[in-house]
Amino acid sequence: AQRVTQPEKLLSVFKGAPVELKCNYSYSGSPELFWYVQYSRQRLQLLLRHISRESIKGFTADLNKGETSFHLKKPFAQEEDSAMYYCALSPPTSGTYKYIFGTGTRLKVLA
Amino acid sequence: EAQVTQNPRYLITVTGKKLTVTCSQNMNHEYMSWYRQDPGLGLRQIYYSMNVEVTDKGDVPEGYKVSRKEKRNFPLILESPSPNQTSLYFCASSLVRGNEKLFFGSGTQLSVL
Repeated sequence: AQRVTQPEKLLSVFKGAPVELKCNYSYSGSPELFWYVQYSRQRLQLLLRHISRESIKGFTADLNKGETSFHLKKPFAQEEDSAMYYCALSPPTSGTYKYIFGTGTRLKVLA
Repeated sequence: EAQVTQNPRYLITVTGKKLTVTCSQNMNHEYMSWYRQDPGLGLRQIYYSMNVEVTDKGDVPEGYKVSRKEKRNFPLILESPSPNQTSLYFCASSLVRGNEKLFFGSGTQLSVL
């Protein structure tokens, strides 16, 4: 079954510390993977997607097909990074177009 | 401004009273979908639509209906709401190509008493 697992509900780090939000997926194939972010009182928005391989707001994510992981990383956390983060999987276009989201990780960056 | 518009933002209703949550996008997107967000469960897909008159079930479709008569609109219908449908609902849209990002609406907080 297709599944996205985010094992941490809450992650608290101090400002300036490194951050890693974990995401593991279950999919028999090569899915498209995304990280979405929801800041307080704002809409969900795309943070990054693995296909573009770009770094946004200092965040990066590397797809590890062997471990089926797509962890989100940032070397130095900022207070404005406090938000809810969702990892998402989308099967390649093949007749189905479901998005599967993880349960989310709330990141709190402490001053 | 390119966006997804949901209405209403907040809705309180009673069990069994039919309601519709509207969703509209102005980006000419083919793909539209509905999600519910519940604490500890994250976002779960209710229904999605690949284009006009093409809809399919997501992971939690029970108790919901959708229609896609026009490309820009994708309303979510609760024929007989129940308290377990109390949730935060999001509509989203995207182009139908590989790797396209979802654009989300601002959400509808529904309470069914």
